Amino acid sequence: NAGVTQTPKFRVLKTGQSMTLLCAQDMNHEYMYWYRQDPGMGLRLIHYSVGEGTTAKGEVPDGYNVSRLKKQNFLLGLESAAPSQTSVYFCACHSPGAGQETQYFGPGTRLLVL
Amino acid sequence: RKEVEQDPGPFNVPEGATVAFNCTYSNSASQSFFWYRQDCRKEPKLLMSVYSSGNEDGRFTAQLNRASQYISLLIRDSKLSDSATYLCVVNPWNSGNTPLVFGKGTRLSVIA
Repeated sequence: NAGVTQTPKFRVLKTGQSMTLLCAQDMNHEYMYWYRQDPGMGLRLIHYSVGEGTTAKGEVPDGYNVSRLKKQNFLLGLESAAPSQTSVYFCACHSPGAGQETQYFGPGTRLLVL
Repeated sequence: RKEVEQDPGPFNVPEGATVAFNCTYSNSASQSFFWYRQDCRKEPKLLMSVYSSGNEDGRFTAQLNRASQYISLLIRDSKLSDSATYLCVVNPWNSGNTPLVFGKGTRLSVIA
């Protein structure tokens, strides 16, 4: 099992360009999350999904859109990238239930917006 | 008051030392608590859950103090490989529909 994978691992964008980050999980988990992590700021939740076809806003959703068309995939889109979106993006998934609170994270995508 | 607060550190300790981290949470209704570990430039990974009665896993001990709304992590006999950032994590509503809340982390450096 691959667990949680993220594509791409690293990307450089120019201001105004768009891109989509892909998160894929083979753990059959219902819930999926997108975080960004910046120095001194910790993990901040961008958007999340509690099931196929559903999405919800997190703490810092502005400038991002998401889609969960398939249970195993969670896409994060940047329509018009800005330098403030330079960050490391982590995807995570988990399956809620007694004793199953663990979130499993992907390896991260490093994004640089010039 | 922030939902989950941690001392960012860094804590610089020699090998073999005992070190403890505390974390406070604001929502008294929180039921589930965890410690995650994050190595430099890597993703966070679950270190251990924190139970009401406290729990121990080898050199690591986690405890919960509901009255004061804090959890702690104790590391005994520190190893160089323990150097990492330790994230305090809380399920604020004990509901499957609410995302976990992560603290900003406490950085530990174990020095030879």
